Amino acid sequence: GESVGLHLPTLSVQEGDNSIINCAYSNSASDYFIWYKQESGKGPQFIIDIRSNMDKRQGQRVTVLLNKTVKHLSLQIAATQPGDSAVYFCAENIVGAQKLVFGQGTRLTINP
Amino acid sequence: GAGVSQSPRYKVTKRGQDVALRCDPISGHVSLYWYRQALGQGPEFLTYFNYEAQQDKSGLPNDRFSAERPEGSISTLTIQRTEQRDSAMYRCASSLAGASGEKLFFGSGTQLSVL
Repeated sequence: GESVGLHLPTLSVQEGDNSIINCAYSNSASDYFIWYKQESGKGPQFIIDIRSNMDKRQGQRVTVLLNKTVKHLSLQIAATQPGDSAVYFCAENIVGAQKLVFGQGTRLTINP
Repeated sequence: GAGVSQSPRYKVTKRGQDVALRCDPISGHVSLYWYRQALGQGPEFLTYFNYEAQQDKSGLPNDRFSAERPEGSISTLTIQRTEQRDSAMYRCASSLAGASGEKLFFGSGTQLSVL
């Protein structure tokens, strides 16, 4: 699977700064991508998604960028707040397969 | 219900016992998924259903694991003859339309501990 063990990559940012979380996905046949936020003790919560025919999509304070050439996905969070502290997972859906495959998470911590 | 509901929230069992984990998806959602999540890792796909039909069980680790959704709503994941390596958070998710490329709504999970 995608998992690499207990040590999660960590991103630390100052409150109010912008955060950028990166994800490399594995399959060039994937046609749908999604970011989830997971707070301690809770299930993954949907943030934003994007289809392969787009390269950028914006939500409220969040933007997802897709670079199919290098199979890279990023999540940008504007004006990071304490409530954004969580583990963030990207996931991909391979075309024709009805299931999400999750990547390694990134832990986002906010410095006051 | 308002969200995906799973029970029990915690399950502690002895090695060799059978366990049944229950998932109640969002009302009206066609698809139901089971994932397993180890501490510090992303959810790992186990199986999914569209209505009552099990469409893909390629993620089930071995034949001790089985799942059913007999009436196309509530689902049960059963693990027979549990082993310590089965200890993990088991998460259920549902999606609306039963199509490829849909967002999943996750429940809070069942934390299974096999002693």
